[in-house]
Amino acid sequence: AAGVIQSPRHLIKEKRETATLKCYPIPRHDTVYWYQQGPGQDPQFLISFYEKMQSDKGSIPDRFSAQQFSDYHSELNMSSLELGDSALYFCASSLGQASYEQYFGPGTRLTVT
Amino acid sequence: AQSVTQLGSHVSVSEGALVLLRCNYSSSVPPYLFWYVQYPNQGLQLLLKYTSAATLVKGINGFEAEFKKSETSFHLTKPSAHMSDAAEYFCAVRAPRGGADGLTFGKGTHLIIQP
Repeated sequence: AAGVIQSPRHLIKEKRETATLKCYPIPRHDTVYWYQQGPGQDPQFLISFYEKMQSDKGSIPDRFSAQQFSDYHSELNMSSLELGDSALYFCASSLGQASYEQYFGPGTRLTVT
Repeated sequence: AQSVTQLGSHVSVSEGALVLLRCNYSSSVPPYLFWYVQYPNQGLQLLLKYTSAATLVKGINGFEAEFKKSETSFHLTKPSAHMSDAAEYFCAVRAPRGGADGLTFGKGTHLIIQP
């Protein structure tokens, strides 16, 4: 079965640079969630989208922005990168915004040097 | 706001022994509760979920969990541990309402299986 696709899988950036992470949900899934997992930490919810509209917002820094496109894929844009942004970024998708099940992608590992 | 607390950052059991991972929730109303498993350098896989139906929930890989409102608990169990169960386990919660609400995760429990 098709899963959530995230690209790139690994990304190395320097401080103050920008990064764009992409997420392709499971086919027909219309809801996307972004999470950040620091080293040895639990995942922290950043933001979610349903039908291209922002639905819920968590602890997303102002330096980060995200959007969902007409084909339901989503992009997380991160600017003025800091060392503390080094983390694993997960995207999850679900069918419908009230779905109980979020299906997680393999994650993008971002390293800021 | 909802939150979950996982008791024990590391749990070690022998292969074939009972696995018990503890999770307590805090919520003004019975929330939706989930257990996820994460293998090294991989994403999170849903083991099971509680969404106000049956209080005893069966999941994949032989795991099950029981929702106990009186104890505000949702502990994860497996009768007989297997070496392949070694992983990080996260309990998660979300509000029981419509909307694409994000999950709130516990700090995780690292399960170690001794041969």
